[in-house]
Amino acid sequence: GNSVTQMEGPVTLSEEAFLTINCTYTATGYPSLFWYVQYPGEGLQLLLKATKADDKGSNKGFEATYRKETTSFHLEKGSVQVSDSAVYFCALSLGRSGGGADGLTFGKGTHLIIQP
Amino acid sequence: DSGVTQTPKHLITATGQRVTLRCSPRSGDLSVYWYQQSLDQGLQFLIQYYNGEERAKGNILERFSAQQFPDLHSELNLSSLELGDSALYFCASSVMPGASTEAFFGQGTRLTVV
Repeated sequence: GNSVTQMEGPVTLSEEAFLTINCTYTATGYPSLFWYVQYPGEGLQLLLKATKADDKGSNKGFEATYRKETTSFHLEKGSVQVSDSAVYFCALSLGRSGGGADGLTFGKGTHLIIQP
Repeated sequence: DSGVTQTPKHLITATGQRVTLRCSPRSGDLSVYWYQQSLDQGLQFLIQYYNGEERAKGNILERFSAQQFPDLHSELNLSSLELGDSALYFCASSVMPGASTEAFFGQGTRLTVV
């Protein structure tokens, strides 16, 4: 079946540090890949996405590149802020055209804590 | 604010009971998704509706059912509740179905079964 694996954390960094959260996936076809962020007490928000190999998604200083050869979609940010503290979820969707469903398959989530 | 509204925000009920969770999608969104978030299982896709019709099923138990009404709001019905059903239930909506379509999530309904 389809699955997403990501480091669970918590990951604790100092402000202005470089961030990498690893994400690898297993899928029967060629999925679309997503990073969602969940702030305390809120629902998930889309952070960025990539729909085909070698695409780079970017938003708010975060980036991730769709690597088909390594089945990975690692999230990076050059300089984190305290306000980036949240839980980050990597996810995939195959969609019906890809032999799956439109619903998202999520990783377990990575709790990120940024200290001032 | 994502524009997706879920009610109630919190629900406490006893084992064996039945509850209904409600979701109003963003204006103009035709597709609704339900997810369950629990400590042991993480975030799991339950079911999807598109324009009133069931489009896809995920890991939804037979005790659970859902529907989408003509005004596009959706309800998730959970019956014969067990302690293990305690979780945060999210609704999400998107303009159209599709693997690359952005889904907007509500703030969730926290269900506690005692």
